[in-house]
Amino acid sequence: GAGVSQSPSNKVTEKGKDVELRCDPISGHTALYWYRQSLGQGLEFLIYFQGNSAPDKSGLPSDRFSAERTGGSVSTLTIQRTQQEDSAVYLCASSFEGYTQYFGPGTRLTVL
Amino acid sequence: AQKVTQAQTEISVVEKEDVTLDCVYETRDTTYYLFWYKQPPSGELVFLIRRNSFDEQNEISGRYSWNFQKSTSSFNFTITASQVVDSAVYFCALGPSGTYKYIFGTGTRLKVLA
Repeated sequence: GAGVSQSPSNKVTEKGKDVELRCDPISGHTALYWYRQSLGQGLEFLIYFQGNSAPDKSGLPSDRFSAERTGGSVSTLTIQRTQQEDSAVYLCASSFEGYTQYFGPGTRLTVL
Repeated sequence: AQKVTQAQTEISVVEKEDVTLDCVYETRDTTYYLFWYKQPPSGELVFLIRRNSFDEQNEISGRYSWNFQKSTSSFNFTITASQVVDSAVYFCALGPSGTYKYIFGTGTRLKVLA
């Protein structure tokens, strides 16, 4: 079946603009995760959703970051008033319950 | 504290050499999971293996093998007869009990030279 998909694959924006990043998880997966990976670095957890439970937002770096998951499927990560330090690859993953996470190809965000 | 340490930042080997990537973890949980992922230059993380804390059997899959030792809190990954296509960043991760959040190591960049 289809894997995790993310769009856009690349996004270039100007400082101060808002951006939305989209993630389509694997069909049937109940959990969805967002991570951030800065150049040459490891993965930084941002947020995860599990079923109808309240999301775990403990990794969001500031209140400029928010995410929602509609209908238990597609998720959108929104970054408001982007800053240059937000430049990174944003990775989405999904899993069935707490089992293995499968990752999408990522969205490379560049803030000029 | 829960932590994953991949002390090797970068390793270079010549094709056909064997290479071992180290992973040391810290957790007080008795039930947990350990994972390895591969991130090739294309950027997408590829799942390689998942191991639960009650299964210390070593695993072999083709040229890949994993050695899990609870006594030393290590979950090392060996590639036998490395190939250029093995060049990637490899991440080890800990999945603690009771949470879906993984804790990732900082990754080891493997370069296999022809």
